[in-house]
Amino acid sequence: KAGVTQTPRYLIKTRGQQVTLSCSPISGHRSVSWYQQTPGQGLQFLFEYFSETQRNKGNFPGRFSGRQFSNSRSEMNVSTLELGDSALYLCASSSGGTGDYGYTFGSGTRLTVV
Amino acid sequence: AQSVTQPDIHITVSEGASLELRCNYSYGATPYLFWYVQSPGQGLQLLLKYLSGSTLVKGINGFEAEFNKSQTSFHLRKPSVHISDTAEYFCAVGAGGNKLVFGAGTILRVKS
Repeated sequence: KAGVTQTPRYLIKTRGQQVTLSCSPISGHRSVSWYQQTPGQGLQFLFEYFSETQRNKGNFPGRFSGRQFSNSRSEMNVSTLELGDSALYLCASSSGGTGDYGYTFGSGTRLTVV
Repeated sequence: AQSVTQPDIHITVSEGASLELRCNYSYGATPYLFWYVQSPGQGLQLLLKYLSGSTLVKGINGFEAEFNKSQTSFHLRKPSVHISDTAEYFCAVGAGGNKLVFGAGTILRVKS
């Protein structure tokens, strides 16, 4: 059974550009969540998508957005990149029932903004 | 607001020694609690979770944790650590809406 796949693994972007990260969940999982991990702020929840709808959102500016497709694959977009957006972005999938915290995490995308 | 405190940033133990990683949480209701492990450059792997029932939870690789409601704690333990346990460990609380709130993490080094 394939795990959660995140692409690309590494990314270098210039300040002011935008970036799109991709996450393919475990087959049959309908919920995808995104987390940002930085040395200063630790692991912070960005948002969760379930059946193509954003179900929950963290405290991040509107530059951070996401979407989910009918096959449950999800993308995360960051516009107008800032140096502080450099981080490991982790995606997690679960079956998606309310209160279902049976997350499986991907290996992440390491974004460096220069 | 929900929060998780891991008071130890770094811990070094000798191979074969016992281990306790501390975690305290703040949450209004009965919490769902988790421990994850992260190796360098990798994602998070679930070690164990407490959702309800027995307060002693057993996980993978010989880890266990005990939920203590009166002390709002969920400490992680292992009787005998191995070099391969060197990693960063995160405690988390389910904060509603399938959102996890993580502690800052404890970096564990096991020395030979």
